[in-house]
Amino acid sequence: QSALTQPASVSGSPGQSITISCTGTSSDVGGYDYVSWYQQHPGKAPKLMIYDVSNRPSGVSNRFSGSKSGNTASLTISGLQAEDESDYYCSSYTSSSTHVLFGGGTKLTVL
Amino acid sequence: EVQLVESGGGLVQPGGSLRLSCAASGFTFSVYAMSWVRQPPGKGLEWVSAITGSGGRTYYADSVKGRFTISRDNSKNTLYLQMNSLRADDTAVYYCANNYYDSGITPKDWGQGTQVTVSS
Repeated sequence: QSALTQPASVSGSPGQSITISCTGTSSDVGGYDYVSWYQQHPGKAPKLMIYDVSNRPSGVSNRFSGSKSGNTASLTISGLQAEDESDYYCSSYTSSSTHVLFGGGTKLTVL
Repeated sequence: EVQLVESGGGLVQPGGSLRLSCAASGFTFSVYAMSWVRQPPGKGLEWVSAITGSGGRTYYADSVKGRFTISRDNSKNTLYLQMNSLRADDTAVYYCANNYYDSGITPKDWGQGTQVTVSS
């Protein structure tokens, strides 16, 4: 099964807001509210930022928010900060035999 | 504080085997599903496998089904991944993670990873 589709890169200036999309199908993103988002800095382990489409784990800044419409989920980061520059990955449960899919990742650059 | 420490990675020839371990602490291990996720060099994350808290159900990515086996020892707070018939495209950093749900679909806390290199 193919990975979820994310843009390869996005960019924004400090203080601005950006949105990263994650497109799947009705068998994964569109069919279930089990979409998660991860932040990964170079050489580090991923960190969970959003789960179940829009829930933030304890300790994650409220500048990070998630949503979903149809087969596309989105991660929005408001009030961009230099420390937000990182790779971001979405994931979703899938009813296919693979069980869980990840997106290809999006590199966020803070200009 | 949750700690997940992977070990067992290394260099192995194509067709060979390795067993990865993940030692867990800081949470009630037997309650949580556990997952393995890998990342090939310079590439994105790929979900590999998950196991429920009791160990009663396991799940695998199509790419590893029939070659990898996930297991756990709740008395030792340790997760395992037995990898057989290894191929070059299994080369990756392998991370273990606990999960929000017992179905293993939402990796939560992650270890630092262990490198697996498959090469002759």
